[in-house]
Amino acid sequence: SQTIHQWPATLVQPVGSPLSLECTVEGTSNPNLYWYRQAAGRGLQLLFYSVGIGQISSEVPQNLSASRPQDRQFILSSKKLLLSDSGFYLCAWGGQGPLTISGANVLTFGAGSRLTVL
Amino acid sequence: QKEVEQNSGPLSVPEGAIASLNCTYSDRGSQSFFWYRQYSGKSPELIMSIYSNGDKEDGRFTAQLNKASQYVSLLIRDSQPSDSATYLCAVREFSGGYNKLIFGAGTRLAVHP
Repeated sequence: SQTIHQWPATLVQPVGSPLSLECTVEGTSNPNLYWYRQAAGRGLQLLFYSVGIGQISSEVPQNLSASRPQDRQFILSSKKLLLSDSGFYLCAWGGQGPLTISGANVLTFGAGSRLTVL
Repeated sequence: QKEVEQNSGPLSVPEGAIASLNCTYSDRGSQSFFWYRQYSGKSPELIMSIYSNGDKEDGRFTAQLNKASQYVSLLIRDSQPSDSATYLCAVREFSGGYNKLIFGAGTRLAVHP
């Protein structure tokens, strides 16, 4: 079965500092990977998704970026954090391989990384 | 952007009652629907998925889908205090060759003894 690792679990960063959140997946190859953010009291907002190494699609323009340097590694970064970047960042695995409209891929989430920007 | 709407709650029900959680979506072409449960401070976990009109039962949970009304619901029978959580409705969107899940903001359920 697939296991998703996220780290760090919790971090407090000052405004203007850089950020790097890492996600790795075990038990699968060629996974579809996603980064979601959940602001306090809000729903899940899709930030980035990736279907393979070096393939990143961005959903929301902002000061965050994502990279997929290895098949099972997905990294979320920022050069300069804003107060509004605070939130609960969730990496998710959603099946593998080519996607079809009839596919029933479900999302499985990692434990999340809670970021507070002060 | 497709939209998924949920009442934020809180929905308060007594232990043993039926909790009814509702969700509407904007994209008439949507085909796959999911309910996730999220305990405070934790990540969401999948409870149910439903793809066809009608009811789908799994233990104490029943998902109901009405594509004509663009409405999906989750019923929890014999509610327990351990069911107290936020329930997220999600709709699968397929665009640009990729699958994505669009989430509602969630309904907070409180089951009191």
